[in-house]
Amino acid sequence: SYVLTQPPSVSVAPGKTARIPCGANNIGGESVHWYQQKPGQAPVQVIYDTSDRPSGIPERFSGSKSGSTATLTISRVEAGDEADYYCQVWDGVVEQRFFGGGTKLTVL
Amino acid sequence: QVHLVESGGGVVQPGTSLRLSCVASGFTFAISPMHWVRQAPGQGLEWVAFISSDAKTDSYADSVRGRFTISRDNSKNTLYLQMNSLSVEDTAVYYCARDAEGGSFDYWGQGAQVTFSS
Repeated sequence: SYVLTQPPSVSVAPGKTARIPCGANNIGGESVHWYQQKPGQAPVQVIYDTSDRPSGIPERFSGSKSGSTATLTISRVEAGDEADYYCQVWDGVVEQRFFGGGTKLTVL
Repeated sequence: QVHLVESGGGVVQPGTSLRLSCVASGFTFAISPMHWVRQAPGQGLEWVAFISSDAKTDSYADSVRGRFTISRDNSKNTLYLQMNSLSVEDTAVYYCARDAEGGSFDYWGQGAQVTFSS
């Protein structure tokens, strides 16, 4: 079982870099995935396997992990990046998935 | 192009049952493990259930185990979620999603709304 902790909100000015952390005390060996969800829409995968980007996702989106914290980094933030972002991991032992509580990114 | 289309949502009363469907197209459904994920109003995402491509393996979130059953019909490219003993806490938009690398979800449907009548 995993408990993934995300800050409720992050604010950033246009053109700057946003960093959204996802912490858990036992994700050191796990892949972390990230999703973007805009109001009224289904989630969209933006990062998988901690740092890989699906086709069609801008290079401005990147992922990393250090110790017990994974981070989604959005460079040169645009107004269109304003959304909720969720991290997610897989517990392969019990075949369950877990989401973080989500972070609302506000572009100032 | 991958498409996942949910249906079967509606207004229900506590204690009743409902079955959601998700019709898949644009990929080989029969070899794809699938999931249901839900989102309560104003809340975050909650994984609900998983089913393997051959339907021999399934798993559930603790919050729905024993009440919900995931199933599939590969001949109809359709995923199902049978929901029994529904409670107000089950109010949510229910998404079907395709399993992908590392246990992630690469494609999602637009969701089916399940709401309770007062």
